[in-house]
Amino acid sequence: DADVTQTPRNRITKTGKRIMLECSQTKGHDRMYWYRQDPGLGLRLIYYSFDVKDINKGEISDGYSVSRQAQAKFSLSLESAIPNQTALYFCATSGAGGSNQPQHFGDGTRLSIL
Amino acid sequence: GQNIDQPTEMTATEGAIVQINCTYQTSGFNGLFWYQQHAGEAPTFLSYNVLDGLEEKGRFSSFLSRSKGYSYLLLKELQMKDSASYLCVRSGAGSYQLTFGKGTKLSVIP
Repeated sequence: DADVTQTPRNRITKTGKRIMLECSQTKGHDRMYWYRQDPGLGLRLIYYSFDVKDINKGEISDGYSVSRQAQAKFSLSLESAIPNQTALYFCATSGAGGSNQPQHFGDGTRLSIL
Repeated sequence: GQNIDQPTEMTATEGAIVQINCTYQTSGFNGLFWYQQHAGEAPTFLSYNVLDGLEEKGRFSSFLSRSKGYSYLLLKELQMKDSASYLCVRSGAGSYQLTFGKGTKLSVIP
């Protein structure tokens, strides 16, 4: 079984819909992250959380919200989806020790908004 | 800014050696990651350099020069499965300071 699991793997939806992407991990890591990846732009950080009570905005948080329900679960919501949020979304985790710890990524969620 | 510069695309022949270069801003620098990402898949960790010099891991090696703001990933005995994007990622000071490069798409040809 994967250490970092994202659901769904693929989603097609319409503009204005509310969408939740879920992430769960079995690595026991405190730190969790949500990224989006667009062709030619690389990975960009949306939100990150260093423990259950800690939520921080990343580079591109507008239009997104997150919830850290437990150490193992970190979900990303799009309250009212728009077409330019079409992208590949990745959840990642890392161990304590600062930004010198490698990140472990889920398999991604491919989201298309029509 | 903390821009990462790496070539967009490279092509190399199976069995050959290829070097993928990366330059980054040195101010507030901690260390440098390399990740491999096959098309449509998750990035996977390859290496992390914090000290100057070359670190070897099998067919893959990574080099860092802190004073020059320069790193490279060296892939030897290229195989077709090495066709992927290689991401250079700068780690900086602060609670979260990762900057991802846009990736170098490597195509290995027979």
